[in-house]
Amino acid sequence: ETGVTQSPTHLIKTRGQQVTLRCSSQSGHNTVSWYQQALGQGPQFIFQYYREEENGRGNFPPRFSGLQFPNYSSELNVNALELDDSALYLCASSFPGQVNTEAFFGQGTRLTVV
Amino acid sequence: AQSVTQPDIHITVSEGASLELRCNYSYGATPYLFWYVQSPGQGLQLLLKYFSGDTLVQGIKGFEAEFKRSQSSFNLRKPSVHWSDAAEYFCAVGTIQGAQKLVFGQGTRLTINP
Repeated sequence: ETGVTQSPTHLIKTRGQQVTLRCSSQSGHNTVSWYQQALGQGPQFIFQYYREEENGRGNFPPRFSGLQFPNYSSELNVNALELDDSALYLCASSFPGQVNTEAFFGQGTRLTVV
Repeated sequence: AQSVTQPDIHITVSEGASLELRCNYSYGATPYLFWYVQSPGQGLQLLLKYFSGDTLVQGIKGFEAEFKRSQSSFNLRKPSVHWSDAAEYFCAVGTIQGAQKLVFGQGTRLTINP
């Protein structure tokens, strides 16, 4: 049991729409990272939030944005959805100050854009 | 920039046989290395990790991995596979800032023959 929960589990959207995905981090973890996993591929780093500030971003366009709240939960927002945005979106939480820190992943949100 | 290569996209082994999944990484500093397993439609579960010290690391479910700096490799092994090991396996490298920003390989799909 990782303690990282994501909602919703599945989502179908139309091209051009906007979507918000949510992630509750494991208790005590102040860092949340988001990954996109296209079918048949490994996860790709989208961005990370640490103490409510963006702390690093991967090669994703600005229409991918995020938030982190004071309780360290997080949202991923995607505007102007494209067909290629169809993927499994994974959230991971961690606590950088711990020795041998690791990232704990949620079960993911499966987004389908039609 | 970091990169991870998993040369084998798909491997099939018989139940009870030994297993080795290959992983090569590219990273300028001492890497943080991870192996994750993903069952269909699920999130990622950490099998094991290497941060420093003993280059042979033990993980969950009877898996182990060996870090070889000279070969830039971190291969995953299991002496005897079980049908429940069928899944997708991902090798990942993290930055010195911690395990949060991970670069994943494309994965190796493991099929088990009865």
